[in-house]
Formats: sequence, C-alpha cells, structure tokens
Amino acid sequence: GQQLNQSPQSMFIQEGEDVSMNCTSSSIFNTWLWYKQDPGEGPVLLIALYKAGELTSNGRLTAQFGITRKDSFLNISASIPSDVGIYFCAGLRVAGNTPLVFGKGTRLSVIA
Amino acid sequence: EAGVAQSPRYKIIEKRQSVAFWCNPISGHATLYWYQQILGQGPKLLIQFQNNGVVDDSQLPKDRFSAERLKGVDSTLKIQPAKLEDSAVYLCASSLSPPPDTQYFGPGTRLTVL
Repeated sequence: GQQLNQSPQSMFIQEGEDVSMNCTSSSIFNTWLWYKQDPGEGPVLLIALYKAGELTSNGRLTAQFGITRKDSFLNISASIPSDVGIYFCAGLRVAGNTPLVFGKGTRLSVIA
Repeated sequence: EAGVAQSPRYKIIEKRQSVAFWCNPISGHATLYWYQQILGQGPKLLIQFQNNGVVDDSQLPKDRFSAERLKGVDSTLKIQPAKLEDSAVYLCASSLSPPPDTQYFGPGTRLTVL
C-alpha cells in the first residue's frame, strides 16, 4: 500500500535546540498533516497543509508543503521537555473518500 | 466538548478468542474511522463509516474483523478469532465530514494477543 518515508526515525536533542524532521513520498498528495502522539494517547493534529509551497506556523512549530507535493517538513524551534513524543506525518491524496496515510513516526526525546 | 471515547483501554486475550472494542465519537460527527496501530508504525485505516454506512473497508481483514455503526453514532469493532499479529492499538477517530476534514482521535485500546 501507500508508503510515506519519515525521517529521522528517532532523535535526542538538548532542551532549547531546534528540531527538523521530514516526510517524503513517491506519490503526490493534496494534503499534508502533522500529528503528535503522547504515550497512551491518540494522535493530535498539530498543523494541516493544503497547498503546495504553503508554510504554516503553530507557535514554535512550522511546517511546509513541498512544491513537488511529494514531501513535507516540520520544524520545532527552541524545544522544551513537553515536546517529547512521536511525531507523525500523514498525507491525503485527494479530497473525498481516500484514506489518510501515515508515516512511521519520528520519536523525539528532549534532554533537559 | 467531550472527545472521542473508547473502551476498554486495555485487553489481553489468548489467540483464537474473540474481542470487541467500543467507540463513541464526538457529538455530531458523521464520519467515524477505525485504525490499527502496530508498535513502531503509524496508524493504518481499517474502516471508515459515513453515518451508518461503510465508505471504505478495503484494508479490513474481513475473514476475522467486523465493524458496525448501526445507529450512526457509536461503533463497535470485533475480532473473531484473534491472531498473535492482531496485537496492536486500535484507534477510533471521528470528523464532522469526510476527509480532508480534521480527524480527532480517541485514546485507543491496546490489545495483546497471547
């Protein structure tokens, strides 16, 4: 089935550092989403991107929809301990009844 | 506003047994989804309902999995008989309308099959 390649798989950073992760696909997507999942919880939507080239921020988070429509990245600035968790990218090929496809996630650990 | 509710939160069964999960979506959300999340993976859609009708069940292993949403609100997902590889977190999500409308996830049910 559809695959999204998400990297890195995991990362350890110092508190205050900036973080960057990305997601690529061999297929074109019309929507890119970034979720965060805490232990024992379901994913929570962080940022939604609907247009190629779009750059959207949500507090310390910034995400971009690649102009080829085959990739997206998420940046977190000035990381804090509560940023710890698993970040997933997800893509939607077309509006309507096509399933959301998730990447395998990036596990972020923040060292205080 | 109450979120998506799921129960039970944890379940341990032996292979070949049956199990059922329950989901109560956010009030007014017409679209309901069941996802399977295997350890170390992202969620994978099993089935999508629009009101009480199935929209997409192409990735549901229909020989052992079934789901229903009879009154267009609550939903149940059943596995019968369970296999070892069914060990996973089963997430329910709901949205006001079909994709690309935002999906809100419940906390999930962690299933362990021994």
